[in-house]
Amino acid sequence: AQSVSQHNHHVILSEAASLELGCNYSYGGTVNLFWYVQYPGQHLQLLLKYFSGDPLVKGIKGFEAEFIKSKFSFNLRKPSVQWSDTAEYFCAAYTNAGKSTFGDGTTLTVKP
Amino acid sequence: DTGVSQNPRHKITKRGQNVTFRCDPISEHNRLYWYRQTLGQGPEFLTYFQNEAQLEKSRLLSDRFSAERPKGSFSTLEIQRTEQGDSAMYLCASSRDSVAYEQYFGPGTRLTVT
Repeated sequence: AQSVSQHNHHVILSEAASLELGCNYSYGGTVNLFWYVQYPGQHLQLLLKYFSGDPLVKGIKGFEAEFIKSKFSFNLRKPSVQWSDTAEYFCAAYTNAGKSTFGDGTTLTVKP
Repeated sequence: DTGVSQNPRHKITKRGQNVTFRCDPISEHNRLYWYRQTLGQGPEFLTYFQNEAQLEKSRLLSDRFSAERPKGSFSTLEIQRTEQGDSAMYLCASSRDSVAYEQYFGPGTRLTVT
């Protein structure tokens, strides 16, 4: 069965610190990988996505993620976080059949 | 682009009652998804439609749950004989015709079963 694991449930950082959030997926076929963000009081919205090509993908607000097929990983990174990055982050995997699986999310708190 | 809308935003019901939620997707989006989210967890996939066809359905969707998208536009999710375990946020999302396209999420309907 398809699954997505996010290793960190809650991360606390100071502004300007670097961020890396782990995401591992389990699926034997082709997957498309996404990171979504949910700011307090707002809807889920897309940060970035990977479905083919360059394994290093760049998204909005300075976020990037690297797809490492051999490790089944799609970790999210940002070199310098800001207080406004405080949010919940979800990694998701979609199969070509249309089914999507989300991780349980990581809550990021950035202290000013 | 008016976004995905869901109604109602909140629903409180007594155990055993039936409830129905509505989702209006972004107008040019052919795919529509339903998810359930409980506290501390990510969205759990329930089902999705391509136009009016329901193409995938999770095992989570017991026979008390049914979803329709009769004209390929808005969708409804009905829960019959609600149970306390059905209390959750029910999310709807829509996308264009490929998994390569992002899903746009609505604000959700929070269901509380007392």
